Amino acid sequence: EPEVTQTPSHQVTQMGQEVILRCVPISNHLYFYWYRQILGQKVEFLVSFYNNEISEKSEIFDDQFSVERPDGSNFTLKIRSTKLEDSAMYFCASRTGYGEAFFGQGTRLTVV
Amino acid sequence: DQQVKQNSPSLSVQEGRISILNCDYTNSMFDYFLWYKKYPAEGPTFLISISSIKDKNEDGRFTVFLNKSAKHLSLHIVPSQPGDSAVYFCAASAVDSSYKLIFGSGTRLLVRP
Repeated sequence: EPEVTQTPSHQVTQMGQEVILRCVPISNHLYFYWYRQILGQKVEFLVSFYNNEISEKSEIFDDQFSVERPDGSNFTLKIRSTKLEDSAMYFCASRTGYGEAFFGQGTRLTVV
Repeated sequence: DQQVKQNSPSLSVQEGRISILNCDYTNSMFDYFLWYKKYPAEGPTFLISISSIKDKNEDGRFTVFLNKSAKHLSLHIVPSQPGDSAVYFCAASAVDSSYKLIFGSGTRLLVRP
């Protein structure tokens, strides 16, 4: 069964450092997303990506965040200068459009 | 702005009985609703969905009911099993440029043996 894969599973970084979270979405999907979940809280939408550009972003997704799909398969989330409050589980998801969204297993980001 | 609400943070039921998880929404543009199951440190796993043109969808032990006039949906699990113990998230999406999902805050279900 096709699946969304994310790497790394856990990333520890120092405050102020840049991190890149990587995802391989399901190959025939058209819509790609990043979500995050701070411990014990809800799953929050960050950004959606369609047709090689951002189609929507939340107010959380400020100038410190960026996304790329550099080679047609990988989908990355970059945080330029991490803050303590960026510590969370980050989930990548993909979707054909209407229908279920498939989620990866997540990357736990810990900013120290 | 909580467009999707799950007002019960937790639910405990006996094995074999029915579990009913509830979800309310405020955005009338939502036209597709989904339920996800989540374990700690794992990604959400899709369970069942329903389109706004239907009022019921069934898949094995799982049934989702949609009441559009009340902007309410519910997930029924019958019979409940200990392996169903997890956090359940309701999510909704609208036909727009991104098809993003908006999640509720989740309900932790504990099924007691």
